[in-house]
Amino acid sequence: DGGITQSPKYLFRKEGQNVTLSCEQNLNHDAMYWYRQDPGQGLRLIYYSQIVNDFQKGDIAEGYSVSREKKESFPLTVTSAQKNPTAFYLCASSIASRAPYQETQYFGPGTRLLVL
Amino acid sequence: QKEVEQNSGPLSVPEGAIASLNCTYSDRGSQSFFWYRQYSGKSPELIMSIYSNGDKEDGRFTAQLNKASQYVSLLIRDSQPSDSATYLCAVNPYSGNTPLVFGKGTRLSVIA
Repeated sequence: DGGITQSPKYLFRKEGQNVTLSCEQNLNHDAMYWYRQDPGQGLRLIYYSQIVNDFQKGDIAEGYSVSREKKESFPLTVTSAQKNPTAFYLCASSIASRAPYQETQYFGPGTRLLVL
Repeated sequence: QKEVEQNSGPLSVPEGAIASLNCTYSDRGSQSFFWYRQYSGKSPELIMSIYSNGDKEDGRFTAQLNKASQYVSLLIRDSQPSDSATYLCAVNPYSGNTPLVFGKGTRLSVIA
């Protein structure tokens, strides 16, 4: 059963704590993305990775960190430097081949992060 | 700054009517366009992709693209209450595999 999984579904963060959101895909996609969505807002790009061991900052990378040690995994860490982390976090992936029109992104179910 | 603009809504239509959702984009070189549907509390799911000027139909959904006007739309025929959701327009402003730029979405409400 191919797809993208995110865990946990809900995550609670205490003041000053770092937390890590998991994203795994078995679609054999090369590219993976992290977005943040606030209520009534669109998707804002945090980080993305087009190949293993390489990633780029998106529009709102401050206070976040990522790693891409395996093709199927792209975890996101929300650090204590992120002062307003409450949001819905979405992971996505795409094929990333050289062929045109292969950039369709597919999303995981999301993780909702709340601050205690 | 690459931008994608959508009317936030809510757009209310009666059941059985045609819902028309619109999107404009700032980068004239954009090549690929996508519509996603997002139910409240859920993640976006792909409805349609379109790459060439004109219409593309898939069941009750029709995507329309006009690159000269930098405009893409989604028509939903025979709207159902289950179509009530937020619809996100997304654009690839570059050729090749780069992150999509998303609009803020239009909230559609289909009234039974």
